Amino acid sequence: QKEVEQNSGPLSVPEGAIASLNCTYSDRGSQSFFWYRQYSGKSPELIMFIYSNGDKEDGRFTAQLNKASQYVSLLIRDSQPSDSATYLCAVIWASKIIFGSGTRLSIRP
Amino acid sequence: EPEVTQTPSHQVTQMGQEVILRCVPISNHLYFYWYRQILGQKVEFLVSFYNNEISEKSEIFDDQFSVERPDGSNFTLKIRSTKLEDSAMYFCASGSDRTDTQYFGPGTRLTVL
Repeated sequence: QKEVEQNSGPLSVPEGAIASLNCTYSDRGSQSFFWYRQYSGKSPELIMFIYSNGDKEDGRFTAQLNKASQYVSLLIRDSQPSDSATYLCAVIWASKIIFGSGTRLSIRP
Repeated sequence: EPEVTQTPSHQVTQMGQEVILRCVPISNHLYFYWYRQILGQKVEFLVSFYNNEISEKSEIFDDQFSVERPDGSNFTLKIRSTKLEDSAMYFCASGSDRTDTQYFGPGTRLTVL
């Protein structure tokens, strides 16, 4: 059984601070890793993808991948109220996405 | 920017009825998917479709479910005899490669009464 684990939260972060979201996955052979953002009642929206060990930055977002530890993280710098959402970690395995249950992030003014 | 579209946005049906959910994937994508999300739960994979056939399906995707690409643009999910527990958001997604990013449509909310 392929698993993706996330802390469900809620994670409360003050506006302007860094939000740190973490995820672990069970299948060592996984190659592609994604972070999606999901607002309540809406569909998952791609934030970042990462394939190689290390960091990948895109604007205020940084994804970090450590395949040896089977660990993926997402950092959000200068957090804004509009970042309040559920963040889904996802791993592609055999052409399907396995989603974690998501971490609910709340940015407080 | 191209996007995945889905119709209808909300479908209400009686238990035992057939429903067809429709999706128009991004035009140059070759891989198509259906996922569902029961209220308050995680997004779950149902089926992937490539080259006019199912490439993978989950244990949820039983004989009551079928998928079809009836023409060059539409991708459909049919539920033959709906059950109460089929009530969920159904998301279509498409991608250009089997290990590449999947882009999601806005979803169809299915309510089975």
